[in-house]
Amino acid sequence: RKEVEQDPGPFNVPEGATVAFNCTYSNSASQSFFWYRQDCRKEPKLLMSVYSSGNEDGRFTAQLNRASQYISLLIRDSKLSDSATYLCVVINNAGNMLTFGGGTRLMVKP
Amino acid sequence: DGGITQSPKYLFRKEGQNVTLSCEQNLNHDAMYWYRQDPGQGLRLIYYSQIVNDFQKGDIAEGYSVSREKKESFPLTVTSAQKNPTAFYLCASSIVRASNQPQHFGDGTRLSIL
Repeated sequence: RKEVEQDPGPFNVPEGATVAFNCTYSNSASQSFFWYRQDCRKEPKLLMSVYSSGNEDGRFTAQLNRASQYISLLIRDSKLSDSATYLCVVINNAGNMLTFGGGTRLMVKP
Repeated sequence: DGGITQSPKYLFRKEGQNVTLSCEQNLNHDAMYWYRQDPGQGLRLIYYSQIVNDFQKGDIAEGYSVSREKKESFPLTVTSAQKNPTAFYLCASSIVRASNQPQHFGDGTRLSIL
């Protein structure tokens, strides 16, 4: 089993839709979690951290479920510009190693 | 501005040739990383370094070598032993031992075989 797994998609949704991605991780002692966004042929850029209590940034909501060992990203009112690949990232319990998921591709259509 | 600079942006390698990708950061980060990304795939870790003069192999280190002689620099050499080098190479850095800190990426180097 991979340490961090994501559904590769693509998720094809219409503009204005709500879409959610999950990311599962295998190390129950993992400490920190992030979502990155990667546009085609570009470097990943930090989208948001994921806090234990859940957190929201505009149309984006991130949640952590430690019992089931997954994090989620919810995007409300999808925009065309949200089309990208979303990578989840898990930091180990020692706090010194990141592991990336394979990414979920989102395509928002008019 | 603080950040990570990778060069060159595009690189072509002839068969049997070693090539070196540059990565420099002025963020005063202790840890630096090299990833490889193939089309439509996630990032795979090649090498990482948490301190000067020390580095560790990642998941796909074969055919690659690195050095960390200075805190701000972490060059990656793609050797002739790497038979399938065509990929997008990303360098990243982070504050080590600060688990709530994410990695910051350079804008990548695209390597192709001539």
